[in-house]
Amino acid sequence: GQQLNQSPQSMFIQEGEDVSMNCTSSSIFNTWLWYKQDPGEGPVLLIALYKAGELTSNGRLTAQFGITRKDSFLNISASIPSDVGIYFCAGQPLGGTASKLTFGTGTRLQVTL
Amino acid sequence: DAMVIQNPRYQVTQFGKPVTLSCSQTLNHNVMYWYQQKSSQAPKLLFHYYDKDFNNEADTPDNFQSRRPNTSFCFLDIRSPGLGDAAMYLCATSRDRRGGETQYFGPGTRLLVL
Repeated sequence: GQQLNQSPQSMFIQEGEDVSMNCTSSSIFNTWLWYKQDPGEGPVLLIALYKAGELTSNGRLTAQFGITRKDSFLNISASIPSDVGIYFCAGQPLGGTASKLTFGTGTRLQVTL
Repeated sequence: DAMVIQNPRYQVTQFGKPVTLSCSQTLNHNVMYWYQQKSSQAPKLLFHYYDKDFNNEADTPDNFQSRRPNTSFCFLDIRSPGLGDAAMYLCATSRDRRGGETQYFGPGTRLLVL
């Protein structure tokens, strides 16, 4: 089945640093979603992107829908300890439905003081 | 606050003993999904209901069944749990099934099979 390549797999950063992660696909997507999952909890939606080139912010988080429609990135500025968790990208392929979300492999973020 | 609720948060069952996990939503969404998530992996879709219409994924084992008695509730039944079924089970909803609709997840139920 279709897969999303998400990188990096894991990151160890210091509090206050900026973070960048991305997702790439071999095919075109018409929606990109970014979720954060804390240990033992369900994924929480951070940002949803619907148009190529769209740049959307949510507090310290900024995400962009790549102009080729095959990639997306998420930036976190000035990281804090509560940013720790696993970040998943998810996308809906062109012509697909909401029932067919494809997930990335996740980026595990650890923040040290 | 409108939300997706899952009960229980932790469930322990015995090998082969049927178990039911429940999900409810106050979002009044048409679509409800069940995912299985194993450690450090992405969620894997098992099936979804679009209103009363059940849609199974091709690779979902027969051991997994689902019921949706009304808009608000959806159940996941595991008929004969095996050790390999130990996982986090996530319920999600979306307003509709069109492209561009966002899925909202519940907190999950962690299933342990002894």
